[in-house]
Amino acid sequence: NAGVTQTPKFRVLKTGQSMTLLCAQDMNHEYMYWYRQDPGMGLRLIHYSVGEGTTAKGEVPDGYNVSRLKKQNFLLGLESAAPSQTSVYFCASSYRDRADTGELFFGEGSRLTVL
Amino acid sequence: GQNIDQPTEMTATEGAIVQINCTYQTSGFNGLFWYQQHAGEAPTFLSYNVLDGLEEKGRFSSFLSRSKGYSYLLLKELQMKDSASYLCAVRARPPGAGSYQLTFGKGTKLSVIP
Repeated sequence: NAGVTQTPKFRVLKTGQSMTLLCAQDMNHEYMYWYRQDPGMGLRLIHYSVGEGTTAKGEVPDGYNVSRLKKQNFLLGLESAAPSQTSVYFCASSYRDRADTGELFFGEGSRLTVL
Repeated sequence: GQNIDQPTEMTATEGAIVQINCTYQTSGFNGLFWYQQHAGEAPTFLSYNVLDGLEEKGRFSSFLSRSKGYSYLLLKELQMKDSASYLCAVRARPPGAGSYQLTFGKGTKLSVIP
C-alpha cells in the first residue's frame, strides 16, 4: 500500500522556469491538499481539493496553480518559479470531513530550490 | 483568520514528562490535532480532540478546552526517539468557507537529552 506518493523528491529550478509536482494517493480519499513548509513558518496551505474536478485556494495560493482531473491525483504547478518559492512541499489527503477524524496522510515531501 | 501559538523550542530529559501547550483563536472550530514530525520527514498523526477533556494513547495524551482555546500534548517516559517537532493544528470552517480547513501552528521543536 503506497499511501501518498510525491514526485519528484528534489528539484532545482532557475528563476522563471516552470514545473509540476505530482501527488498520487491510493486510499480513495476525497480530499487532497498541497502545503509548503518553511523554517519558522510552519505548514501553510497552498491549495486544496474536495473532490475530482474541484480546487480551492488556501492561505498562500499566489504563484501556484493546481488541477484534480482524477480523484487519485493532485498536481501543483509553478508557471514562473521565483526564489521565494524555495521550500519543502507536502501533499496530503484525507477522507471527506463527516464524522471521521479528518486525519491527514502526508507524502514524503518534495524539496524545491529556485536559484 | 486563525491564530495558533505554541512554544518554539523545548528541552526535556529522557524518562521525564513534558507538556507542550497550544493556544488558538478561530471561528467554526471542528477539532484539534497533534502531529509529530522528525527532521527531514513528513508529519505523522498523533491525536485528535473535538470535545473537552483528555484523550490518552499510550505514552501520549492530549487535552482540549474549547472555552479557553487551549490544548496540550503530554509525553510521558520520554525517549530519545521523541526528539522531533510537534505540530498543533486546528480544523475549522470560517464564515463563508465552503469546507473545513486545517491550519497548523509553527511547531514546537522538542529535544530529549540523556
